[in-house]
Parts: sequence; C-alpha cells; structure tokens
Amino acid sequence: SAVISQKPSRDICQRGTSLTIQCQVDSQVTMMFWYRQQPGQSLTLIATANQGSEATYESGFVIDKFPISRPNLTFSTLTVSNMSPEDSSIYLCSVPDRGGLNTEAFFGQGTRLTVV
Amino acid sequence: AQSVAQPEDQVNVAEGNPLTVKCTYSVSGNPYLFWYVQYPNRGLQFLLKYITGDNLVKGSYGFEAEFNKSQTSFHLKKPSALVSDSALYFCAVRDWGSQGNLIFGKGTKLSVKP
Repeated sequence: SAVISQKPSRDICQRGTSLTIQCQVDSQVTMMFWYRQQPGQSLTLIATANQGSEATYESGFVIDKFPISRPNLTFSTLTVSNMSPEDSSIYLCSVPDRGGLNTEAFFGQGTRLTVV
Repeated sequence: AQSVAQPEDQVNVAEGNPLTVKCTYSVSGNPYLFWYVQYPNRGLQFLLKYITGDNLVKGSYGFEAEFNKSQTSFHLKKPSALVSDSALYFCAVRDWGSQGNLIFGKGTKLSVKP
C-alpha cells in the first residue's frame, strides 16, 4: 500500500487568493491524480499528473485555474488560483498501488478548502 | 463511456441487521470495480475490489460485495451492521478511456442506528 501525506488538511481563504496543496507519497509512482469533491457530491477528476510531462486536465478544468507541478516521482502540488466561493471543496490526491491498474487507488486525507 | 450509479442517496439500517448498498455500472471493457468508504473529515479508505475470479469478494471490516455480470451490479453487503459503519460509501470503476483513474458514483450515506 501507499502512504500519502497531504497538506494542509484544511484552510479558509479569501476570495481572489490562491492556495497550493501538497501531496507526498512514500514511494515512487508514475501517475498521481487530483480530485475535487464539492459539498455533498462525488469525486470528480481534475487532472492526472505525470512526472516529466504536462498534467492532463479533464473537461471543465484548465491549467490557469488549477496549475499542477510534479517535480519528482513522490511529490505533486495542486494550486487553486484566484479562488471564489464556488471553489470550496475537498481536494484529494490519489495514486494507484504499485501493482498498477489491477489494484486499488490510495488517497490522501484531503484538503478541505473554504473560500470566503 | 464508463459510469457508475448508486441509486440510493441514503440507507438506514438497525444495528445487527444486514445491510446492502447498491451499485450498478456501465463499462466498455472489463469491469474493475471498487468500494471505498469516507468517514467524516477523513479521506477515502479502500474496502474491496473486483478484478477477476470469484464473484463474491471479501474486504475490510467484514464487508463483501457480489459481482453480477448479467445485472451489471456490484452491491456492497455486510451480514450484521455496526453503528461504526455509518459513513459515506462510494462505488467506483476503472476508466479505461482515460489514464486509469477511477470514476465514482455519487455516494450513499449509510446510517446505522442502535
């Protein structure tokens, strides 16, 4: 299994500012996924972060709003830029187990973001 | 396109009774199916998965799920519910059209009363 440390665990931010969320994994992984969970909703994939290449964004998510860094195989950051109250959500990073796609994915504990 | 449906927003069960949380799926390839649980203010915890093999899959905390190909279902079950099982449960399927991320159902809130 993978141990994922995500921080901050929660934050309250002013609209118009930006927040960077960090995700640290205890092992090297090729892919890292960033999800958003809006209040009372399911998880929606924001983007896939591969080391050494640009992140791949899902429909409805753009790099200017959610820039992602992936400097090495154990770390990634997601920035929520120019925040508005609609960005209030739980943001989670995820990695597949070392066995690849036959295995389950592991999740960080999430970052609960409130924009006021 | 792959999708997952959880038809119940909430399931209420008395402690000690059996519980079932329903999930149906639609995939274009082999269905790789998962159940996760989310406790308040916590991340997602993996419960169990179906990749291949026996249709009855056993997982963590006494949970099990039955894969039914003809009904395209993967219902989560537990013979005897505990109050501590109260949480939000998500069914998910591997998205073969993407880079292998998971597509989640909308979640089912399980409430177990003493």
